Amino acid sequence: DSGVTQTPKHLITATGQRVTLRCSPRSGDLSVYWYQQSLDQGLQFLIQYYNGEERAKGNILERFSAQQFPDLHSELNLSSLELGDSALYFCASSVGSYRGLDSPLHFGNGTRLTVT
Amino acid sequence: SQQGEEDPQALSIQEGENATMNCSYKTSINNLQWYRQNSGRGLVHLILIRSNEREKHSGRLRVTLDTSKKSSSLLITASRAADTASYFCATDNTGNQFYFGTGTSLTVIP
Repeated sequence: DSGVTQTPKHLITATGQRVTLRCSPRSGDLSVYWYQQSLDQGLQFLIQYYNGEERAKGNILERFSAQQFPDLHSELNLSSLELGDSALYFCASSVGSYRGLDSPLHFGNGTRLTVT
Repeated sequence: SQQGEEDPQALSIQEGENATMNCSYKTSINNLQWYRQNSGRGLVHLILIRSNEREKHSGRLRVTLDTSKKSSSLLITASRAADTASYFCATDNTGNQFYFGTGTSLTVIP
């Protein structure tokens, strides 16, 4: 058990809808990362938050947004969903710092999003 | 484009044999990490190697890093059926962007 909790585990929704994915990081971890994993794109880095502030941004679409709350949990909001957004969305946490991947990432088991 | 690319894409070996996977990346990095993913599950951290290190060991795992060639290798010795999984390298660059490679799918046949 990594200590990272993601909810829900599965989500099925229709095109054009909006969903929110939730992540509780491991106790003591200040950084939260969001990744998207699909068969054709592999594991894509979306965004990182550190202690409530956005720290790094990857290939995150404008239709997607995220935030990290004062209690350090994070939410990833996906709107105007398209069929191509169907994927496994992972949250990871780390003790974190400003110097990149200098501590291990602890991954949750993901949220499987299916857009129909 | 992705920073890291693993090679081979798939590897099948007999239990007890050694497995070697390679990772190549494109730009200068601060750190490189290796992860394992069992089907449909979250990734599990295996080992971290910093840019000023050349080799690290952890149990049956040995990782090397050659920054001049922008490559790393992961060696699993005396493989077990439980090692069957996908293995990914992850790199960062000086711009704090984080990338995972495409992964090597390892099958260990009992």
